[in-house]
Amino acid sequence: DTAVSQTPKYLVTQMGNDKSIKCEQNLGHDTMYWYKQDSKKFLKIMFSYNNKELIINETVPNRFSPKSPDKAHLNLHINSLELGDSAVYFCASSQKGGRATNEKLFFGSGTQLSVL
Amino acid sequence: SQQGEEDPQALSIQEGENATMNCSYKTSINNLQWYRQNSGRGLVHLILIRSNEREKHSGRLRVTLDTSKKSSSLLITASRAADTASYFCTQGGSEKLVFGKGMKLTVNP
Repeated sequence: DTAVSQTPKYLVTQMGNDKSIKCEQNLGHDTMYWYKQDSKKFLKIMFSYNNKELIINETVPNRFSPKSPDKAHLNLHINSLELGDSAVYFCASSQKGGRATNEKLFFGSGTQLSVL
Repeated sequence: SQQGEEDPQALSIQEGENATMNCSYKTSINNLQWYRQNSGRGLVHLILIRSNEREKHSGRLRVTLDTSKKSSSLLITASRAADTASYFCTQGGSEKLVFGKGMKLTVNP
């Protein structure tokens, strides 16, 4: 009955490979997000989707491509992985998103990506 | 930027003591939120304080907000070892919640 679940929890891969991380939320929320947390614990937003529509796209390399087949799912595909992509990636959701007041985020438990 | 900056960066206390963490922000806010991150886990929402509120309580948590100083503080009373985590503040009411690198709290048994 996990609210926001992402898989896999750990991902170890070689440079140059392509990999995907999946995220699903069963909260009925309209908006989903991808955040990246680096080794210094900074948590940076990457993307946000509202009802399958991309609404936030921070300065992220084109190698990162989010896909939202429906509002309950937001997957992250990464092409040509680089050493600097190593980080923990978090999926999150919120009820409405946008400029809705008093919104809070619900986070998944993270995917630790290690690029060798 | 809607990023909050936590202070101090790290705090180590004994179980039973109170822990106070501060957050400063730069722009006007709609609300300010505090989150906790346990090691190896995602962030968990703790408490939200609206811009027209000055103080809010939730269990052992007490949050204050001073909009004139653009600052907030999170007080954890009677700390427990289980409170060991990183704590983040962020400004709400925009399209995205921006987080800093948080503050590491260690509660020693």
